[in-house]
Amino acid sequence: GENVEQHPSTLSVQEGDSAVIKCTYSDSASNYFPWYKQELGKGPQLIIDIRSNVGEKKDQRIAVTLNKTAKHFSLHITETQPEDSAVYFCAAVDTGTASKLTFGTGTRLQVTL
Amino acid sequence: ETGVTQTPRHLVMGMTNKKSLKCEQHLGHNAMYWYKQSAKKPLELMFVYSLEERVENNSVPSRFSPECPNSSHLFLHLHTLQPEDSALYLCASSQGWTGLRAFFGQGTRLTVV
Repeated sequence: GENVEQHPSTLSVQEGDSAVIKCTYSDSASNYFPWYKQELGKGPQLIIDIRSNVGEKKDQRIAVTLNKTAKHFSLHITETQPEDSAVYFCAAVDTGTASKLTFGTGTRLQVTL
Repeated sequence: ETGVTQTPRHLVMGMTNKKSLKCEQHLGHNAMYWYKQSAKKPLELMFVYSLEERVENNSVPSRFSPECPNSSHLFLHLHTLQPEDSALYLCASSQGWTGLRAFFGQGTRLTVV
């Protein structure tokens, strides 16, 4: 089955700096990679996703890059703000089979003033 | 109105109690999921229902019993739980059962005493 590793487990950045979270996956057949943000006391919220037929996707201050050859994908947050502080999860799945989303262990991002 | 609503938000139960968690989705999705979220562990998929039929049961102990009466509602019946079952239980829904663009509820924080 799929195995997703996520790094770092914690990340502290100053407001206005960029943050990068990296994930690697094991199943080369995986073709869908979402990122979720979970704030304290809330459920995970989908913030951006990417399919394997593109290498990069951007939505305002958030971007995701995918390297299929190396089997890794990354979340980039620019101009970080205090409200970006949360736990971020990556996930991977092969939507063409009966497999299900496999999640990473999460990254706790702290944006300091 | 949120897309996926879970009740109760918090639950404390004894090991001999019987309780149920409820999930309702208002997104018109045809698949619903139960996940368990424990500290420092990846999200664990417990059950998947597609069109009210259970399509996955990830070796979950029988003290957890899911029920999906229709495509909008999902229950998790709990009985004779153990303290190690204390966790955040998350419900999610998606269109199709591979988890594509899955939406999560706020979760039920369960404590077993």
